[in-house]
Amino acid sequence: DTGVSQNPRHKITKRGQNVTFRCDPISEHNRLYWYRQTLGQGPEFLTYFQNEAQLEKSRLLSDRFSAERPKGSFSTLEIQRTEQGDSAMYLCASSPITASSYNEQFFGPGTRLTVL
Amino acid sequence: AQSVTQPDIHITVSEGASLELRCNYSYGATPYLFWYVQSPGQGLQLLLKYFSGDTLVQGIKGFEAEFKRSQSSFNLRKPSVHWSDAAEYFCAVVSIKAAGNKLTFGGGTRVLVKP
Repeated sequence: DTGVSQNPRHKITKRGQNVTFRCDPISEHNRLYWYRQTLGQGPEFLTYFQNEAQLEKSRLLSDRFSAERPKGSFSTLEIQRTEQGDSAMYLCASSPITASSYNEQFFGPGTRLTVL
Repeated sequence: AQSVTQPDIHITVSEGASLELRCNYSYGATPYLFWYVQSPGQGLQLLLKYFSGDTLVQGIKGFEAEFKRSQSSFNLRKPSVHWSDAAEYFCAVVSIKAAGNKLTFGGGTRVLVKP
């Protein structure tokens, strides 16, 4: 297993278009997270899944954003009617669930979105 | 709600010199603290973490960090910097009381290494 993968790595789109990103977590990792990182800032939590259930969404995740994780494997993040403010790096991370109170999150390389 | 502050946006250091990156957190209980490194085109890589016990923790790539509860700090250090350490560094905290273990990150410190 080579870790968390994200596709595409870069996406340039025009304002108003829809975009979809994909994240493939490490096999058998139950949890999958999405974060957004704007230029010069640290990543901010967007949402997370435990298996196929979406358990929490940040208020950063407006109605134009939707995330899915069918069958508890890969996940997609869709942004509808993109705005210039959506330009950012979108990071995906996955972690196992164990008896430990914290399980390390492993990050993918991210998808950089540029909205023109 | 927890928060993390990294006061230094940029730091320039000469190769072979020591490095210290500052991190202050705001959290109601004993936090779980982390330092991540992000190189251009790469994802975030965990350098080290502190959960409990010894307040001086060792990480990968020769980094260490010290937890100081009285100062709400978790500063990262390296005795001798290599050119490959040029990257952006993020301090983060997890609320173990909340479900999901979501990370809260600081704004990051970009490290430039002079030859």
